[in-house]
Amino acid sequence: GAVVSQHPSWVICKSGTSVKIECRSLDFQATTMFWYRQFPKQSLMLMATSNEGSKATYEQGVEKDKFLINHASLTLSTLTVTSAHPEDSSFYICSATRGTGSYEQYFGPGTRLTVT
Amino acid sequence: GQQVMQIPQYQHVQEGEDFTTYCNSSTTLSNIQWYKQRPGGHPVFLIQLVKSGEVKKQKRLTFQFGEAKKNSSLHITATQTTDVGTYFCAGRVTGGGNKLTFGTGTQLKVEL
Repeated sequence: GAVVSQHPSWVICKSGTSVKIECRSLDFQATTMFWYRQFPKQSLMLMATSNEGSKATYEQGVEKDKFLINHASLTLSTLTVTSAHPEDSSFYICSATRGTGSYEQYFGPGTRLTVT
Repeated sequence: GQQVMQIPQYQHVQEGEDFTTYCNSSTTLSNIQWYKQRPGGHPVFLIQLVKSGEVKKQKRLTFQFGEAKKNSSLHITATQTTDVGTYFCAGRVTGGGNKLTFGTGTQLKVEL
């Protein structure tokens, strides 16, 4: 159990366009989802924390108007990269936790975004 | 802000040798977790440590949490090729909810 999926697994888009990435918990309800960004051979940088039904909490330095996060249900969170630029090219990974008191984060397989 | 550093950044060992990665936080942690990320994969949870001075073992892996709850280590005995990957510690601070700050990671390569 505790499977998290992401879609798409990779995407190429042109500068100026927007891209939506979905994160789903397949076999559990995720009260909290997290969005990370990972550059090659580097660590995971937390972008935002998303709780179902409320606004996401963004980390310092992350533009909330550029990285739109929606957590509409207990099994789905979306990250939309708006007006993408080449510097937004990265590996985006989501994770989810089961609920209150649960500490383990279950990670999705990640989405490779390339902006040309 | 909170920083979590790991050393070494890379480690290349021969199969059968031991391996240790060290994790240091700039702030006191309420607990610490360890994750493993295989090349091309996503992080997978290994363990959580909560108590000061706690030691936990999983087969050939030994995890320690420092007395001051600011550092931790992961030791692998007799490495195998299946141990290849990047090991991340991730710390949680009191009042930070479920938010984790990931360490810089240690990439382990194991040669036959």
